[in-house]
Amino acid sequence: DQQVKQNSPSLSVQEGRISILNCDYTNSMFDYFLWYKKYPAEGPTFLISISSIKDKNEDGRFTVFLNKSAKHLSLHIVPSQPGDSAVYFCAAGVGGGADGLTFGKGTHLIIQP
Amino acid sequence: DAGVIQSPRHEVTEMGQEVTLRCKPISGHNSLFWYRQTMMRGLELLIYFNNNVPIDDSGMPEDRFSAKMPNASFSTLKIQPSEPRDSAVYFCASTTTGTPDTQYFGPGTRLTVL
Repeated sequence: DQQVKQNSPSLSVQEGRISILNCDYTNSMFDYFLWYKKYPAEGPTFLISISSIKDKNEDGRFTVFLNKSAKHLSLHIVPSQPGDSAVYFCAAGVGGGADGLTFGKGTHLIIQP
Repeated sequence: DAGVIQSPRHEVTEMGQEVTLRCKPISGHNSLFWYRQTMMRGLELLIYFNNNVPIDDSGMPEDRFSAKMPNASFSTLKIQPSEPRDSAVYFCASTTTGTPDTQYFGPGTRLTVL
């Protein structure tokens, strides 16, 4: 059973617009959430994270929102740029994520010119 | 810094053969993780080590899979015998214990079992 779910396999957004990627989780023990970005033939790279004690974390064009009651988080990218085209993985961990992470299946974001 | 190094980058083998994947973590990192990526299951944690000691191998699919970390700079994931359903991309990642932000992934090994 998938504990971290990304229900949109792909998302197409026009350059300059906002990209919103969604993630749902089922395990109430998760207390740390991360987003990773992956280009073809490369390993995932860390993008942004949020602790369960917060509901928002911002880093430049990237903002992650956490809704604990709904067990839902989202990644906002504003404005979207061509280089943002990649697969985005949502990940979650227990105990700050130190014991390994549980990943969603990923969302392929395509930024169209 | 060279980053996490994995070898080989691609491996094609026949069913029943032994496969060994290798990983060199970033120097100074004391936690190492092995993940597998498939279309069906996405990216899943197989096993992780802290200070060269296996902590949780509950993600290892079956006894055909084994992992070792003989020292702080080297780890192997072995599949014996390999089966077609083992075909996947295998990633190694390393970090300093307690800092998931800095979990750095290697480029992965694409394994194809015919």
